[in-house]
Amino acid sequence: AQSVTQPDIHITVSEGASLELRCNYSYGATPYLFWYVQSPGQGLQLLLKYFSGDTLVQGIKGFEAEFKRSQSSFNLRKPSVHWSDAAEYFCATRSQGNLIFGKGTKLSVKP
Amino acid sequence: GAGVSQTPSNKVTEKGKYVELRCDPISGHTALYWYRQSLGQGPEFLIYFQGTGAADDSGLPNDRFFAVRPEGSVSTLKIQRTERGDSAVYLCASSLLGQETQYFGPGTRLLVL
Repeated sequence: AQSVTQPDIHITVSEGASLELRCNYSYGATPYLFWYVQSPGQGLQLLLKYFSGDTLVQGIKGFEAEFKRSQSSFNLRKPSVHWSDAAEYFCATRSQGNLIFGKGTKLSVKP
Repeated sequence: GAGVSQTPSNKVTEKGKYVELRCDPISGHTALYWYRQSLGQGPEFLIYFQGTGAADDSGLPNDRFFAVRPEGSVSTLKIQRTERGDSAVYLCASSLLGQETQYFGPGTRLLVL
């Protein structure tokens, strides 16, 4: 069965520092992969997605992610974090119709 | 344009009561999904509609949960004989037919006392 693992429950970074959030997937074929962000009291907002083609995907708000088949990973990156990036981040893969989500990584940003 | 909307935003009920949660998808989206998000967890799939019919209801936890989409637009998630363990945020999402991107609503926070 398909699954997604986010190894880090909580990460704290300083404002202006770079960020990498880890995501590992389990699937034999090329998966459809997504990163969503959820701010407190808000719904899930799509940051970026990977279906095929170029393995480096650009998203909104300055985020990018790289699909690495050899490592079964789809890590999310941002070169310089802003205080407004503090939120919970979910990696997901598509299974037939529905999405399968990881447990999320909570990002805190310190001044 | 308008996004996915969900009502109510919050619902408090007592154990054993019946509740209905409503989802209004993006206009023109034929696919509609319900997910449940418990505290500290990622969303978990409940049911997926394509048009009026349930294409996949394998995520519904038991027969107390039921969802309908009679006209292929608005959907209602119905929970009978609520239990404290049903407390969670219920998220709705919609997508275009053949499109993989799902757009989420703000959710309904259900608290069963």
